[in-house]
Amino acid sequence: AQKITQTQPGMFVQEKEAVTLDCTYDTSDPSYGLFWYKQPSSGEMIFLIYQGSYDQQNATEGRYSLNFQKARKSANLVISASQLGDSAMYFCAMREGRGNKLTFGTGTQLKVEL
Amino acid sequence: DTGVSQNPRHKITKRGQNVTFRCDPISEHNRLYWYRQTLGQGPEFLTYFQNEAQLEKSRLLSDRFSAERPKGSFSTLEIQRTEQGDSAMYLCATETGVRGNTIYFGEGSWLTVV
Repeated sequence: AQKITQTQPGMFVQEKEAVTLDCTYDTSDPSYGLFWYKQPSSGEMIFLIYQGSYDQQNATEGRYSLNFQKARKSANLVISASQLGDSAMYFCAMREGRGNKLTFGTGTQLKVEL
Repeated sequence: DTGVSQNPRHKITKRGQNVTFRCDPISEHNRLYWYRQTLGQGPEFLTYFQNEAQLEKSRLLSDRFSAERPKGSFSTLEIQRTEQGDSAMYLCATETGVRGNTIYFGEGSWLTVV
């Protein structure tokens, strides 16, 4: 079974609009962390935001926020006021329990249009 | 610029040759990871170091792959007798000594085996 599922291979959004990128996860461990990364065409993975399973509030970092719905096992990334520079691949990832590795989804390609 | 430096950024090699990639972590980041990413996929975990100790290896890390982190600073990933299936981007990531909420990736090293 996939541990991280990103069901949107590609998304389009108009500049200045908000966009939600979906991520669902599967784990039986009560302790886990969820990460979102942005990967431009240059290849670098840029850390965006983190949500811990015990965090009481949804994480926010500037224009990025995470819509964390624990019971539904979803951790959607919301980008507000989209900019052309937001066009990139976005990956959701999870680290479980006391493990070390991140498990990534297949990503969502976001294109911001004028 | 996340501070994780990888080189070379691009490498084209003939099948059967050996290649080595280097990762210089952010200063004082004790935890270091290698991932592999193929086209259209998210990164996959290869191996993890805490200081100079290699504590975890994925089954993806065949016996042709070897990683080292002498003195707990920079790390190298060597692939011997390269095969076309090794063509991928190899990403290095680092983290402080305490498992936390931010893992920084480098820009990756693209390998093409011809």
